[in-house]
Amino acid sequence: AQSVTQPDIHITVSEGASLELRCNYSYGATPYLFWYVQSPGQGLQLLLKYFSGDTLVQGIKGFEAEFKRSQSSFNLRKPSVHWSDAAEYFCAVALNTDKLIFGTGTRLQVFP
Amino acid sequence: DTGVSQNPRHKITKRGQNVTFRCDPISEHNRLYWYRQTLGQGPEFLTYFQNEAQLEKSRLLSDRFSAERPKGSFSTLEIQRTEQGDSAMYLCASTREGLRNGPLHFGNGTRLTVT
Repeated sequence: AQSVTQPDIHITVSEGASLELRCNYSYGATPYLFWYVQSPGQGLQLLLKYFSGDTLVQGIKGFEAEFKRSQSSFNLRKPSVHWSDAAEYFCAVALNTDKLIFGTGTRLQVFP
Repeated sequence: DTGVSQNPRHKITKRGQNVTFRCDPISEHNRLYWYRQTLGQGPEFLTYFQNEAQLEKSRLLSDRFSAERPKGSFSTLEIQRTEQGDSAMYLCASTREGLRNGPLHFGNGTRLTVT
């Protein structure tokens, strides 16, 4: 079955530490790939997206993600986390229908 | 660009009542999407419009749910005979010409509580 998996429900890191959030997809073809962030009381905001080309994608707020076709993964990374990064992060995919399918999300907690 | 606007922000209703939510997309965005998000889950696709045409509906959208976008601008989502399982955040989003041409802009949602 087609799916988007975020294996980590909850991650806690110290401020200044590096971060990697995992995302795997299961589709017949390579979908379009996205990462969104949802802060409490805020709407979902697009961090970055991958359609084709360079497999390392830069996004807003210092985030980047790397597409690995062999692993069907699109992991989100940040070298140094800030307290304001605490939020819920969603990986999403879209096929040709332009319909976004979201993963279940990873809640990031940042300790000072 | 005033963003995607959703009203009301919160709605509490008794089981069996009908509710209607409104979404005003960003002007000139011809695609409008409805999603539902329950606690601890990612948003689930419900339906989307290109202009006034409803192009796809999820199997999650039972007969009690109906969405319209009569003039290709704002959209309404109606739930008839609400059930407690309908309690969720209902999100609206819009984009211009599809995901390849620009990001999907989300509203802050309407939180529905069915008692």
